[in-house]
Amino acid sequence: GAGVSQSPRYKVAKRGQDVALRCDPISGHVSLFWYQQALGQGPEFLTYFQNEAQLDKSGLPSDRFFAERPEGSVSTLKIQRTQQEDSAVYLCASSFLDSGAEAFFGQGTRLTVV
Amino acid sequence: GIQVEQSPPDLILQEGANSTLRCNFSDSVNNLQWFHQNPWGQLINLFYIPSGTKQNGRLSATTVATERYSLLYISSSQTTDSGVYFCAVERGGNQFYFGTGTSLTVIP
Repeated sequence: GAGVSQSPRYKVAKRGQDVALRCDPISGHVSLFWYQQALGQGPEFLTYFQNEAQLDKSGLPSDRFFAERPEGSVSTLKIQRTQQEDSAVYLCASSFLDSGAEAFFGQGTRLTVV
Repeated sequence: GIQVEQSPPDLILQEGANSTLRCNFSDSVNNLQWFHQNPWGQLINLFYIPSGTKQNGRLSATTVATERYSLLYISSSQTTDSGVYFCAVERGGNQFYFGTGTSLTVIP
């Protein structure tokens, strides 16, 4: 596609519910990143994929967060047993190379846990 | 990780005015990008500028990598320039570090 696409744009979840957020990167992009942005803050790193390999998951805040990219293209970020503190905008980005290349972000998924 | 500081945190301009936004970072980097976050939350790429100077219309940017700072210049500001501007750097660990942003409001 022309850009990074994320779905859904908005998600309201009841506390304790599981959610899945989808990211379609730019075709051919090797690297894929997930970021979390709290209100009024800059995005913070969650995890990084190079093709299908998850090379860095150091930013995932708890074991309730899980990400996958099984075929090296589309990625899913799953949050189990959502808590109110998980409310944030989740941003996905992709880049052509494995390091040092320009990254392009999707429009984000705004998650609200009630 | 790398510390990224942006200044000023907030800026209010009259339409037509010029401004300079600054980004300081604490370590050498191999990637630096400026983004504009629009009111709908999307990060729009402005510049990919690990070093040197680039210009795109009314916007230009300069990165002095050896002194660990970057500047974003906005000339003849318009109301559509309003939003939050972020600087993000990468050191090669495939992780972008973002500043806390500069919130710009342009008044007609």
